[in-house]
Amino acid sequence: GNSVTQMEGPVTLSEEAFLTINCTYTATGYPSLFWYVQYPGEGLQLLLKATKADDKGSNKGFEATYRKETTSFHLEKGSVQVSDSAVYFCALSDPNFNKFYFGSGTKLNVKP
Amino acid sequence: EAGVAQSPRYKIIEKRQSVAFWCNPISGHATLYWYQQILGQGPKLLIQFQNNGVVDDSQLPKDRFSAERLKGVDSTLKIQPAKLEDSAVYLCASSLDPLAGLTDTQYFGPGTRLTVL
Repeated sequence: GNSVTQMEGPVTLSEEAFLTINCTYTATGYPSLFWYVQYPGEGLQLLLKATKADDKGSNKGFEATYRKETTSFHLEKGSVQVSDSAVYFCALSDPNFNKFYFGSGTKLNVKP
Repeated sequence: EAGVAQSPRYKIIEKRQSVAFWCNPISGHATLYWYQQILGQGPKLLIQFQNNGVVDDSQLPKDRFSAERLKGVDSTLKIQPAKLEDSAVYLCASSLDPLAGLTDTQYFGPGTRLTVL
């Protein structure tokens, strides 16, 4: 079946540090992959997505590359800011079975 | 542009009681989703509507949960009777393009936090 596995948090970094949040997936077909973010007190919102292998999604300085060979979609940012503190969710959509799966979320705390 | 609206924001009930949640999607969005998010977990898709038809409800516990989307706009999710394990945040989301399917961006509401005592 389909599933998404994220690294457990919380992840605590100092401002301007490099960020990686790992995400791996299991899928029966050719899924699309997403990162959603939930800032404190706000609803979930799409951060970036990739719909086929080797695609790179990017937004607000964040990047993730769809790696079919390693079934991964790791989120990276070169220099985090305090305002990036949030919960990040990796997600997968399976078009064959019309299913959508979220990972369990990784909380990021960025200290000044 | 107004976002996805949900009400109530918070609800506390006792087990075996009934509860209903309301969602108003972004105007013009064809697809509407209901998710359940238990504390410490990612959201789980319960049901997906396209206009007023059900696309998928395989994860909806149909013995106690029901949902409808009359006229293809607003939607209501009901739990009857509630159990302790139904305590969660119930999220509504909508997306614009039905042809894009689940690759389309979903826009989420603020959620309804349900506590079952």
